[in-house]
Amino acid sequence: GAGVSQSPSNKVTEKGKDVELRCDPISGHTALYWYRQSLGQGLEFLIYFQGNSAPDKSGLPSDRFSAERTGGSVSTLTIQRTQQEDSAVYLCASSLEGLYGYTFGSGTRLTVV
Amino acid sequence: AQTVTQSQPEMSVQEAETVTLSCTYDTSESNYYLFWYKQPPSRQMILVIRQEAYKQQNATENRFSVNFQKAAKSFSLKISDSQLGDTAMYFCAFMKHRGNQFYFGTGTSLTVIP
Repeated sequence: GAGVSQSPSNKVTEKGKDVELRCDPISGHTALYWYRQSLGQGLEFLIYFQGNSAPDKSGLPSDRFSAERTGGSVSTLTIQRTQQEDSAVYLCASSLEGLYGYTFGSGTRLTVV
Repeated sequence: AQTVTQSQPEMSVQEAETVTLSCTYDTSESNYYLFWYKQPPSRQMILVIRQEAYKQQNATENRFSVNFQKAAKSFSLKISDSQLGDTAMYFCAFMKHRGNQFYFGTGTSLTVIP
């Protein structure tokens, strides 16, 4: 596609439920990133995928968070047993190589009630 | 560790006037990149301007320019001839050379007043 697509745009879930957030990167982009933006905060790095290499998971805040990238394209961020502090906007970005052509999606706003 | 600080949570400017947004950072790296991103209500982060640390010349992009002071670890954004469409959150960000993640500040909410 022309841009990075994220779905759903908004998600409301009950505390304790699991949620899946999806990211479709720009076709051909080898690198994919997830960031979290909490209210009043900057973006916080979560995870990075580059081609077939092992992902950099150093930013995941707890073991309730996991992500996968299938076929080097679509990525899913899963949050298990959601907590209220997980409420945030989750942004995905992709790039062809390094910091050039780094394109963000419009994010998923997650609200845990 | 890298940190980025934006000390102005909110700013406003009259249309057609000039405004400067401040950013300081802390790093032990000698080679890195600095960025300003704009985030309108659509939530998509849009690159405004990029600066390579090894370049002494300040980057400019049309109405947007930076004042990069490497020794002081300061990277301010100047917006000239402000337009209503400039109303947005602005984030300063840092990336190490050959890095794979941005380090973002907490943002400055800019309102352009007609």
